Amino acid sequence: KQEVTQIPAALSVPEGENLVLNCSFTDSAIYNLQWFRQDPGKGLTSLLLIQSSQREQTSGRLNASLDKSSGRSTLYIAASQPGDSATYLCAVRPGGSYIPTFGRGTSLIVHP
Amino acid sequence: EAGVAQSPRYKIIEKRQSVAFWCNPISGHATLYWYQQILGQGPKLLIQFQNNGVVDDSQLPKDRFSAERLKGVDSTLKIQPAKLEDSAVYLCASSLTAGRDQPQHFGDGTRLSIL
Repeated sequence: KQEVTQIPAALSVPEGENLVLNCSFTDSAIYNLQWFRQDPGKGLTSLLLIQSSQREQTSGRLNASLDKSSGRSTLYIAASQPGDSATYLCAVRPGGSYIPTFGRGTSLIVHP
Repeated sequence: EAGVAQSPRYKIIEKRQSVAFWCNPISGHATLYWYQQILGQGPKLLIQFQNNGVVDDSQLPKDRFSAERLKGVDSTLKIQPAKLEDSAVYLCASSLTAGRDQPQHFGDGTRLSIL
């Protein structure tokens, strides 16, 4: 059974810092991995999707990497801003199923 | 484009009562998903529809949960009877097709509290 762990569970940083959020998974037979953002009381917004054959994806100040063999992904946020405050979740899609497995998320607060 | 619409936003019921949630996906999206998100956890997929057919409902507690998408557009999720452990946010999402590369667009969810 796939298990997804996100570390740290919570993070509070001053504005301008570069951040690394971690996601690890137990079964490396994945189809893709996706990072989402969730604001309080809202649904999820997709940030980046990495296929199993890819090593990284970039969008603006966000960069996500994937090391399938070691079961790890990182989300790098450059020059953090207060507007980045949210919960960040990673989700892994297995090779033989439609069912994604989500981590519990990292709650991020960026203070001015 | 209009996003995924869900109603109600909040619902409070007593255990053993029944409740229903409604979802209207983005126009033209063939695939619709229902997720359960318990406080402090990631979402758990309950059921996936492709048009009006079920793709996967292996994680749906079928003794009390049911879902339908009769005309292949909007969908309802029902719980009968509700238990305390059903307190959660129920998220609906849609995507253009069922492909695993397709981005899912989420609604804001229905927050259910069971007393």
